[in-house]
Order: sequence, then structure tokens, then C-alpha cells
Amino acid sequence: KQEVTQIPAALSVPEGENLVLNCSFTDSAIYNLQWFRQDPGKGLTSLLLIQSSQREQTSGRLNASLDKSSGRSTLYIAASQPGDSATYLCAVRDSNSGYALNFGKGTSLLVTP
Amino acid sequence: NAGVTQTPKFQVLKTGQSMTLQCAQDMNHNSMYWYRQDPGMGLRLIYYSASEGTTDKGEVPNGYNVSRLNKREFSLRLESAAPSQTSVYFCASSEGAGQSNGYTFGSGTRLTVV
Repeated sequence: KQEVTQIPAALSVPEGENLVLNCSFTDSAIYNLQWFRQDPGKGLTSLLLIQSSQREQTSGRLNASLDKSSGRSTLYIAASQPGDSATYLCAVRDSNSGYALNFGKGTSLLVTP
Repeated sequence: NAGVTQTPKFQVLKTGQSMTLQCAQDMNHNSMYWYRQDPGMGLRLIYYSASEGTTDKGEVPNGYNVSRLNKREFSLRLESAAPSQTSVYFCASSEGAGQSNGYTFGSGTRLTVV
């Protein structure tokens, strides 16, 4: 079964810092990887979707990379802001899991003013 | 705004009661899903519907039933609620069978079973 791990579990940084969130997965035969943001008590908002054939995707201050062979993805957030405070979830879709997304347990990010 | 709509947002049930969680999407997506989110467990797939007229079990289907009412709507039913079903339930949708499709999630239903 696909195992998705996110490190660190929690992170606190001062405003303005660039930061990296890590996601690793055990089965490299993936179709795609999706990064989500979840605010407390809210639903999941899709940030970036990377196909297995892609190396990276960018949206504004966010950049996600994918190294399928090593089973790793990183989410880079540039010039962090207090509004970036949330939990960030990584999810992988692979051939063995069918339609299911396999989620990591998330990184809880706090950006302090 | 287009997206996935879930009702209700909050619900408290007594053990043994039944209820149906409703989900509707207006993106013309073919596939729909129900997940539950528990502290320390992450999100786990309960049931999914790859296309209208089909449903399949996910990782944690026991105690639940689903109905794909039409292309837009996918409901989740708890026939006899148990405290172990206290959770946050998320409905999601995707374009279809293509593995390249990403998911869109609803805002969740917070269910407490006492």
C-alpha cells in the first residue's frame, strides 16, 4: 500500500522567509501528485497538481517539484505571509490504489508577523 | 462559485440514529468520492463512484452506504450511527477515469455521534 509521509509535521517561521515542505511516497508508480491547503475547520483547497511526466508546477509564490524515481516532492513557498498559515497536505494517485488518493498527514504551518 | 457543495455542515446524532449526507457538484465531473478525516489518521476513502450508475468500496466502507443519484449528486448514508463514526466527512469530485485528473473537495460535514 502506498505510504505518504510529510516532514516536518509542524513548522513556525517569521514572515518573509522562504520555506520548503517535504512529501515522500513509497511506490513511485504514480499518476500524479496534488498539494492541498486546509485552513482550520475548513475543506481542502487544491494548490498544485503535478502529473507523473512533469518535474514541477508553479502558481504565484508556490512551486512544487516532483522526483518520481526517488519518491519525493517539495512545495516551495516564497516570501511567506501570515495568510499562508494553514495545514498543507500532499496526496498521491497511483496505479495500485485505483481511484483513491493517498494522503500524507500534513504539515501545519504558522507564519508569524 | 462552481464547486462541490455538502450539506449539512454540522450534525450531532445519537448512537443508532440514521442520517444521509448530501453532496452535489456543478463541474460536470464524472467521478465522485466520500472521504473521512480523523486526527492522526489523515483522510481515508469510504466509497467512490467512478461514473453515474456505479459505486465501489474504498478503504473504510463498513457502516456506510452510498447512492449516486445522478451525475451531480452522491449521497452517503449512515444506517445506524456509532461513536466511531464521529469524524469530518468530505465529498470530492474529479473529471473522470483519466488518471491525470485532480480532485476538488467540498467544505466538509462535521459529524458527532454521542
